[in-house]
Amino acid sequence: HSVLTQPPSVSGAPGQRVTISCTGSSSNIGAGYDVQWYQKLPGTVPKLLIYGNTNRPSGVPDRISGSKSGTSASLAIAGLQAEDEAEYFCQSYDSSLPGYVFGTETKVTVL
Amino acid sequence: EVQLVESGGGLVKPGGSLRLSCAASGFTFSSYTLTWVRQAPGKGLEWVSSISVTGSYTYYADSVKGRFTISRDNPKNSLYLEMNSLRAEDTALYYCANLMASGPYNWFDPWGQGTLVTVSS
Repeated sequence: HSVLTQPPSVSGAPGQRVTISCTGSSSNIGAGYDVQWYQKLPGTVPKLLIYGNTNRPSGVPDRISGSKSGTSASLAIAGLQAEDEAEYFCQSYDSSLPGYVFGTETKVTVL
Repeated sequence: EVQLVESGGGLVKPGGSLRLSCAASGFTFSSYTLTWVRQAPGKGLEWVSSISVTGSYTYYADSVKGRFTISRDNPKNSLYLEMNSLRAEDTALYYCANLMASGPYNWFDPWGQGTLVTVSS
């Protein structure tokens, strides 16, 4: 089902920086469609972290950032904290379906 | 508080039907495109269907086209998903989500907690 590929897991010690990749294709990210990033904590609804590839909604700390290049996008979390331990997924649009597409989800573990 | 609450999930036999509902509160429901997204056990998220502000336009994933019908009742702040000819592969947690838009950008927010649909004999 998932059209966008993410690593199953990433980990880092408190204070470190981790990045999560989101790899798509020429019909979604590579076609210029924006990428959004969400965080999902156990038992809670997904929370928007990044919209339009690089924009943070109010309330999201600036240690969280997004980028996009070619057919991929990335989410970076700097100064890793225990509260960052969660699932993260990317989302975009795919013209070949057509419809919205999601990433395979990445579990971030704080060591 | 901005909130979406799904209901209507349950256990149904293959070939059966189910109707999901999503009740909205805390925002102007009638101003936004609404969407159903699902997540099968151990799988990633899958977009299922979207409906325009007035309900005039509906969109479906190929996997559900012809079997599922999305609708909305703006005065009741409610979104629905009528699911027919259900298959085992439709087993999933079904979320409703609001499609927010700002300038050229759009994103899903808020999301509901989800309602579980299990298709099994």
